[in-house]
Amino acid sequence: SQQGEEDPQALSIQEGENATMNCSYKTSINNLQWYRQNSGRGLVHLILIRSNEREKHSGRLRVTLDTSKKSSSLLITASRAADTASYFCVRGSNYKLTFGKGTLLTVNP
Amino acid sequence: EAEVAQSPRYKITEKSQAVAFWCDPISGHATLYWYRQILGQGPELLVQFQDESVVDDSQLPKDRFSAERLKGVDSTLKIQPAELGDSAMYLCASSLEWGLQETQYFGPGTRLLVL
Repeated sequence: SQQGEEDPQALSIQEGENATMNCSYKTSINNLQWYRQNSGRGLVHLILIRSNEREKHSGRLRVTLDTSKKSSSLLITASRAADTASYFCVRGSNYKLTFGKGTLLTVNP
Repeated sequence: EAEVAQSPRYKITEKSQAVAFWCDPISGHATLYWYRQILGQGPELLVQFQDESVVDDSQLPKDRFSAERLKGVDSTLKIQPAELGDSAMYLCASSLEWGLQETQYFGPGTRLLVL
């Protein structure tokens, strides 16, 4: 079954704007990961945040995790056309990764 | 940069036929995963190996799907017989070790169309 439901399902922005994607999940996690998928580079790991962490940064990415609300958010700052992709919230628990349905981000030049 | 290799990239077959997909993980990676991704959905884990041993195949439809990693390196996923509902992208991934903190590296996938 799919866990980690992303919101919105689709997002269209202009280059240079920030993009925020949210994720909710139902059961306990060990960590929460975000992956990106596009036709050019396939599925790529972006960032991992552990259940005892609240915020993490990597380049233009900022991830937050609220375990009390079972939710996470991914912020991409100063977006570029190359950021156009599907972004998946991935729940890590029981030695498995469980992917959500993804948010399709389109960055218009 | 080391990558996960998969072949073929595309496969068209008729229902009731047998199909096989091959995956070569990044050298030195002990853990290998097969996922299925239906269009518009996220990948779903089918089976994972630690070296040559299956550690989880709870989501693998064992009546028609089989997977092996005989020497603990490359792996084959087979479907026999294929059904229309098997049309999907089949992704292979590998990680250095078996653990939730390990990054999984994905191959380009095999897109299967069953007619």
